[in-house]
Amino acid sequence: DAKTTQPPSMDCAEGRAANLPCNHSTISGNEYVYWYRQIHSQGPQYIIHGLKNNETNEMASLIITEDRKSSTLILPHATLRDTAVYYCIVRVEAAGNKLTFGGGTRVLVKP
Amino acid sequence: NAGVTQTPKFRILKIGQSMTLQCAQDMNHNYMYWYRQDPGMGLKLIYYSVGAGITDKGEVPNGYNVSRSTTEDFPLRLELAAPSQTSVYFCASSSIALGYTFGSGTRLTVV
Repeated sequence: DAKTTQPPSMDCAEGRAANLPCNHSTISGNEYVYWYRQIHSQGPQYIIHGLKNNETNEMASLIITEDRKSSTLILPHATLRDTAVYYCIVRVEAAGNKLTFGGGTRVLVKP
Repeated sequence: NAGVTQTPKFRILKIGQSMTLQCAQDMNHNYMYWYRQDPGMGLKLIYYSVGAGITDKGEVPNGYNVSRSTTEDFPLRLELAAPSQTSVYFCASSSIALGYTFGSGTRLTVV
């Protein structure tokens, strides 16, 4: 699976949009971009994933650049409960394929 | 629909003791995984299974064993506990369409 690069930490103001970048310059054509988050001491939680088109769900939006070498997770209106470590992972979407977690971005939402 | 259930939530073991961490899922997922997370670090894959009767090693399998006799259950066995196995253990299951679902974790301390 391709490696990803994320900033180690970032702060965000409550109520504002949080834009989390991820670089995956060696991504292959059949690898998806996944985002998970881990709120303190809990198991990771799936947020969103995409291949090349932008995706949106009730939690977030995922913007993937045209060359697919980077992406941005957008939390449209950050709340204090969004404080967590966010993981960007790229992998082939196939049965049983394993998730490999990097260091992630530690996001602190401030009032 | 309980998702992924892990027991116990907390455990203290003495060096050399053994124990089994239980994991059960009720989503009929074929794929199940065990991860460990040391303080301040990312998750590392211990073992995984792509179906009943099939298991394989992950990144850090030494000191652990698993079995998968049913689709629902995927227990993790520690035979001779060592201080290096002090960690938080997460079990997960997955489907292609919905990503991974993680349990709430087992916090293990070996003294």
